[in-house]
Amino acid sequence: SQTIHQWPATLVQPVGSPLSLECTVEGTSNPNLYWYRQAAGRGLQLLFYSVGIGQISSEVPQNLSASRPQDRQFILSSKKLLLSDSGFYLCAWSVGQAMYEQYFGPGTRLTVT
Amino acid sequence: AQSVTQLDSQVPVFEEAPVELRCNYSSSVSVYLFWYVQYPNQGLQLLLKYLSGSTLVESINGFEAEFNKSQTSFHLRKPSVHISDTAEYFCAVSGSSGGSYIPTFGRGTSLIVHP
Repeated sequence: SQTIHQWPATLVQPVGSPLSLECTVEGTSNPNLYWYRQAAGRGLQLLFYSVGIGQISSEVPQNLSASRPQDRQFILSSKKLLLSDSGFYLCAWSVGQAMYEQYFGPGTRLTVT
Repeated sequence: AQSVTQLDSQVPVFEEAPVELRCNYSSSVSVYLFWYVQYPNQGLQLLLKYLSGSTLVESINGFEAEFNKSQTSFHLRKPSVHISDTAEYFCAVSGSSGGSYIPTFGRGTSLIVHP
């Protein structure tokens, strides 16, 4: 069966520090991968998605970046965090060109202080 | 472009009462519709989906949703809720737009079940 892992589960970082969140998927090949941010009381904001290794699409201009160094690995990064980067970050995967439903990881709670 | 509107940000209800969470969408293309549930500090879990066929879809834990094309709605219902149903519920729509099926999510509805 397929599983998706995210780490760390929680993170407290000072403003201006770098960020690296990792997501890995097991049990499937060539998944579509996504990074979302969920702010308190708000819906999901799609940040990046990837349909293959090295293929990254950015949905929102910001100080975050994403990379996909391996087929089932998706990394979210920042060189300098802002207070507004605080939130709940969710990684998700889907399969197929039509994408259909998504399967979400457990999330990372990021607090920028 | 597609959009999803969840009309209620919060729905309080007593245990064993029926509940309906409303979802309306706008899209100029054929759509696929989903409901996800999110428990506190967890990721989203797929609750049910409409891809094609019967317009009434059901989940394993008693929820159902009906695709109504004329009203562009996909409301979620349960005839009798439990305390454990307390969670955030998200409606999502996916449709071919420029070759992309990236889903659009609503802002979520918080279902609060009181004893």
